[in-house]
Amino acid sequence: KAGVTQTPRYLIKTRGQQVTLSCSPISGHRSVSWYQQTPGQGLQFLFEYFSETQRNKGNFPGRFSGRQFSNSRSEMNVSTLELGDSALYLCASSLGGSINEQFFGPGTRLTVL
Amino acid sequence: DQQVKQNSPSLSVQEGRISILNCDYTNSMFDYFLWYKKYPAEGPTFLISISSIKDKNEDGRFTVFLNKSAKHLSLHIVPSQPGDSAVYFCAARGNSGGYQKVTFGTGTKLQVIP
Repeated sequence: KAGVTQTPRYLIKTRGQQVTLSCSPISGHRSVSWYQQTPGQGLQFLFEYFSETQRNKGNFPGRFSGRQFSNSRSEMNVSTLELGDSALYLCASSLGGSINEQFFGPGTRLTVL
Repeated sequence: DQQVKQNSPSLSVQEGRISILNCDYTNSMFDYFLWYKKYPAEGPTFLISISSIKDKNEDGRFTVFLNKSAKHLSLHIVPSQPGDSAVYFCAARGNSGGYQKVTFGTGTKLQVIP
């Protein structure tokens, strides 16, 4: 069974640009959550999608948005990039319903110059 | 507002000894707690969990203890092995806006010295 995949693995952008990250969950998983990891901050919850609907949202500005497709694949978009957006972005999938064990992808390392 | 706290950013332990990683939380409504392990360049992997109705869960070398009155949980690794060297995150599940949400701590980097 294939794990969670994220593309691209590494990305370099400049301030003001926008970026789209992609996540393919484990087959059969309907819930996809996105997290931002920065040194000293742990994993900060961005949002969760379930059956193409945003079910929950963290405390991030509106520049951060996402969506989920009918095949459960999810994308995250960050507009007007800032230096502080440099981080590892992780997505995690779970079957849905109750969030117990989540399966994480390897992450996308975003660097904003 | 950090609802899940791991106050020790790092821990060094000799191989074969016990590793104890600690986690404190502030939200008494959390109903499920998890530990994840993360190696560099990889995503976190699930390690062990515990429901709020229990006070201990064991899986091989890993045991998680929950003290609800103190809002404290700990992960014990016995015996510690060099392959256990990684960053460990504790996480707590709670409800937000009618749906479940998982809140992670900041992580503790464990180094097991051979």
